[in-house]
Amino acid sequence: AQSVTQPDIHITVSEGASLELRCNYSYGATPYLFWYVQSPGQGLQLLLKYFSGDTLVQGIKGFEAEFKRSQSSFNLRKPSVHWSDAAEYFCAVAPTYSGAGSYQLTFGKGTKLSVIP
Amino acid sequence: EPEVTQTPSHQVTQMGQEVILRCVPISNHLYFYWYRQILGQKVEFLVSFYNNEISEKSEIFDDQFSVERPDGSNFTLKIRSTKLEDSAMYFCARGLGQENYGYTFGSGTRLTVV
Repeated sequence: AQSVTQPDIHITVSEGASLELRCNYSYGATPYLFWYVQSPGQGLQLLLKYFSGDTLVQGIKGFEAEFKRSQSSFNLRKPSVHWSDAAEYFCAVAPTYSGAGSYQLTFGKGTKLSVIP
Repeated sequence: EPEVTQTPSHQVTQMGQEVILRCVPISNHLYFYWYRQILGQKVEFLVSFYNNEISEKSEIFDDQFSVERPDGSNFTLKIRSTKLEDSAMYFCARGLGQENYGYTFGSGTRLTVV
C-alpha cells in the first residue's frame, strides 16, 4: 500500500525567507505526485503535480517541487515566502495505473506553515 | 476551471440522524470522489464514482454511506445514521480521469455530529 510521510508537522519562517517542505512516499513504483494547499476553512487547492519528465516542477504562487527517485522524495520549495502563504500544505500520491478506473489520492498528514512578518 | 460547489458549508446533526451532503460538479466530468478530513488529521479517500457507479471505496465507506448522482449533475453523499466519529470535513472532487490527475476539490462541508 502506498503511504506519504510529511515529517514536519509545523514550520515557522520569516517573511522573505526561503521555504522547503519535505515529503517522502512509499510506493512500488514511481507514483504521480502532488502538492495541495489548504487555507483555514477552505478547500484543497492544487499547487503542482508531477507525472513524468523534468524532475523539477513549477507550480502556482511561485512554488516548485523536485522529485528525487533515489530518495523517494518530492519536496516543495519557495525562494521567498509571503505572509499569504501561511496555510497547511499536503503532499499526495496516486497510482499510475488503476484497473478499477479510480485515481484516488493518498495524502500525508500535512505541514502547517506559519509566517512571521 | 469552474469550481466545485458543495452544500451546505456547515451542517450540525444529532447522532443517529441521516445527512445528505451535496456536490455540484461539471456534468461532463466522469470521475467523482468523496474524501473526508477529521479535524487535525489527514485527508482520507472515501469513494470514487465513475460512469454512475462506485468504482472503488475505502474501508471507511461502510454500509452507513452511500453515493448517488440522482439527476446527472448533483453528486450526493448520504450517511444513514450518523455517529460522533463522522464529524469531519467532507470534500467532493471531480476529474476527467488520468489525464487530469490533480483534480478539483470543492470547498467542503463541515459536518458536526452532536
